[in-house]
Amino acid sequence: QSALTQPASVSGSPGQSITIPCTGTSFDVGGYNSVSWYQQHPGRAPKLMIYDVTDRPSGVSQRFSGSKSGNTASLTISGLQAEDEADYYCSSFRSTGTLMVFGGGTKLTVL
Amino acid sequence: EVQLVESGGGLVQPGGSLRLSCAASGFTFSSYWMSWVRQVAGKRLEWVANIREDASEKYYVDSVKGRFTISRDNAKNSLYLHMNSLRAEDTAVYYCVRGWSHYIHWGLGTLVTVSS
Repeated sequence: QSALTQPASVSGSPGQSITIPCTGTSFDVGGYNSVSWYQQHPGRAPKLMIYDVTDRPSGVSQRFSGSKSGNTASLTISGLQAEDEADYYCSSFRSTGTLMVFGGGTKLTVL
Repeated sequence: EVQLVESGGGLVQPGGSLRLSCAASGFTFSSYWMSWVRQVAGKRLEWVANIREDASEKYYVDSVKGRFTISRDNAKNSLYLHMNSLRAEDTAVYYCVRGWSHYIHWGLGTLVTVSS
């Protein structure tokens, strides 16, 4: 069982926007601004898309944005494109027990 | 260009040991925290361990404490994961990653299979 909760799947049509939530606790997502999001295509290593809740690494499209409210962080992808179809994982620093925790992953399908 | 190349994975019996290595290049290795992250069944990601630049701090996920040891050799630009008392649930692809809280650079991973 993953420490952070994500929906198993989300879907959207090209051009639409979708949001993937990641729910934790006050010991991780809610208590620290160390939430990251990763994109993973089949057979590839994960790719960092968002770090520190809202920051984008160089080269990542502005269509990807992050936010947080309480114990839930969110990844929003606007202007969906076929290439966005992938698995998405959130992660967070955690102050108790395990130092870093991941979500179970969300499969994004672009219809 | 940053490169992280893992090696040392393979098939091992329950209770056995393996040592994973990660050869780093393209950056000043001694200036970065390094971590190991594993992926089970191509899906679930799990942070395993990390180590400070000078190896003065090391942290582990609870499930590997006392069994795994992370280490580094800054002179050789290398990261290691010594794994003892391996269990079936340790079966995963193990990734070497740069950083401690978020990971821009990942290796291709090395597969560890624990099975009799």
